[in-house]
Amino acid sequence: GENVEQHPSTLSVQEGDSAVIKCTYSDSASNYFPWYKQELGKRPQLIIDIRSNVGEKKDQRIAVTLNKTAKHFSLHITETQPEDSAVYFCAASNYGQNFVFGPGTRLSVLP
Amino acid sequence: DTAVSQTPKYLVTQMGNDKSIKCEQNLGHDTMYWYKQDSKKFLKIMFSYNNKELIINETVPNRFSPKSPDKAHLNLHINSLELGDSAVYFCASSQQRDGYTFGSGTRLTVV
Repeated sequence: GENVEQHPSTLSVQEGDSAVIKCTYSDSASNYFPWYKQELGKRPQLIIDIRSNVGEKKDQRIAVTLNKTAKHFSLHITETQPEDSAVYFCAASNYGQNFVFGPGTRLSVLP
Repeated sequence: DTAVSQTPKYLVTQMGNDKSIKCEQNLGHDTMYWYKQDSKKFLKIMFSYNNKELIINETVPNRFSPKSPDKAHLNLHINSLELGDSAVYFCASSQQRDGYTFGSGTRLTVV
């Protein structure tokens, strides 16, 4: 079955700096890779996703890159703000079913 | 207008009791899920269910059972609760090829 690893487990950055979170997956059949943000005490919410036919996707300060050959994908957050502080989860799936989540990265943006 | 709603939000109960958590989605999604999030924030799939198939994570004890009266509902019933069942349980739904929408979670505390 699919296995998703995520690094780092914790990340602290100064406000305004960039943050990068990396994930690797094991199943070459996986073709959909979403990223979720979970604020303290709240539900995970989808912030960006990428499909296997695309190498990069950007939405304002957030971007995701995918390297299918190496089986890894990354989340990039630029110009970080305190409200970006949260736990971020990557996931991998085959056609949006039965996601396997990474263990999460706790991002702290320091003022 | 909540898309995926869970009740109750908090549940405190004694060891050995039987309890249920309810989940309803109004998105018309085909598939619903239950995830367990432990104290380390790891999201682990328990069940996925659509109108054709129930997939059970083999590591889930058989004290846990999903019940789906219709496509919009997937309830979770737990028998003989144990201390280790304490966690946050998230319901989610998805349409094929798209990301999950999570419910707000149920924090279960077994004392």
